[in-house]
Amino acid sequence: ILNVEQSPQSLHVQEGDSTNFTCSFPSSNFYALHWYRWETAKSPEALFVMTLNGDEKKKGRISATLNTKEGYSYLYIKGSQPEDSATYLCASFGRGAQKLVFGQGTRLTINP
Amino acid sequence: NAGVTQTPKFQVLKTGQSMTLQCAQDMNHNSMYWYRQDPGMGLRLIYYSASEGTTDKGEVPNGYNVSRLNKREFSLRLESAAPSQTSVYFCASSSGTSYNEQFFGPGTRLTVL
Repeated sequence: ILNVEQSPQSLHVQEGDSTNFTCSFPSSNFYALHWYRWETAKSPEALFVMTLNGDEKKKGRISATLNTKEGYSYLYIKGSQPEDSATYLCASFGRGAQKLVFGQGTRLTINP
Repeated sequence: NAGVTQTPKFQVLKTGQSMTLQCAQDMNHNSMYWYRQDPGMGLRLIYYSASEGTTDKGEVPNGYNVSRLNKREFSLRLESAAPSQTSVYFCASSSGTSYNEQFFGPGTRLTVL
């Protein structure tokens, strides 16, 4: 089973500041990397699916990069807003597998 | 278009009771999944169905069974509930497997006393 690690586990950021956090995954047999946003009392929602080394994705103030050779992805949030408060999950899909393996998430709290 | 629906939303069971969690999707997705979410553990895969007619074990299958009734529906059964199965259960679906995002249902909060 793949071991997907996220850091930090939790993060408090002042409104307006930018922030980033990390997802590490085994680089061998990599196939795809998913990012999900999970607000309290709701269900996870997909942000990005990334497959190629060097891939960059952007959605509004949120962006992500992917390094498949060293096995990490960064998620960036620019100019944090209170509505960005959520848990951000990454999940890796290994070649030959038919399922995602999720990290434990980074819980982000934006202080007004 | 309801997406992924789950029933019930809440359930309390006594140890040893059985129950089935229902999941349905209306997006014509091939793949469906059952996860459980526990504090500090993230999402852990219980069972999945890559396509209609197939099911496979995930990371934590013990104590559970599944049925892919048709392309739309994927149910999770607890034959003899245990307190360790107290959790929030999420069903998800995707059109394929690796490249396709998963869509999650609203979750079922299960308490086993």
